[in-house]
Amino acid sequence: NAGVTQTPKFRILKIGQSMTLQCAQDMNHNYMYWYRQDPGMGLKLIYYSVGAGITDKGEVPNGYNVSRSTTEDFPLRLELAAPSQTSVYFCASNYGGERRTDTQYFGPGTRLTVL
Amino acid sequence: GENVEQHPSTLSVQEGDSAVIKCTYSDSASNYFPWYKQELGKRPQLIIDIRSNVGEKKDQRIAVTLNKTAKHFSLHITETQPEDSAVYFCAAFNTGTASKLTFGTGTRLQVTL
Repeated sequence: NAGVTQTPKFRILKIGQSMTLQCAQDMNHNYMYWYRQDPGMGLKLIYYSVGAGITDKGEVPNGYNVSRSTTEDFPLRLELAAPSQTSVYFCASNYGGERRTDTQYFGPGTRLTVL
Repeated sequence: GENVEQHPSTLSVQEGDSAVIKCTYSDSASNYFPWYKQELGKRPQLIIDIRSNVGEKKDQRIAVTLNKTAKHFSLHITETQPEDSAVYFCAAFNTGTASKLTFGTGTRLQVTL
């Protein structure tokens, strides 16, 4: 299993540009999450999904959108990029449901810079 | 909702000494408490977790203790080594109702030679 994969690894955007961060998992996990981590700071939840077709906001959803059309993929869309969105973005997943205490696995991260 | 506070924010210990990181949580219904380690430039990875039906769990040099009455839990690392240097995050979760972990703000542990 590849686990949780993210693309791209690095990206530089200009202010006002848009992009999609890709996240995929091959562990048949139901729950998927997007976090951002600013330099030297903790993890802030952007959006999460408990299954295909179901998404919900986390604590910092403004400026982002998500979709979950399949169990495997959970892309994060940035519209009109701003310097405040410069961060490292982590995708994570776990089985959830009845197995609520199972391990949450993180992807390798996408380092985004908005100039 | 749940709120998790983590202390200290930075911790420096000498190699071979012990390190303790403490977290408190607000929701008495939380019953699952994982700890993640994040090395510089890497992703967070689970190192140990504890459920509310036990008071302590050990795995080699690391241990976690839980005090449900006081709503706090701690990570203990003994005989610290340079490779223990990282940021550690605690988290809390209510397996009955929650869909997401609530993370603490992290502790940067530096093990000096």
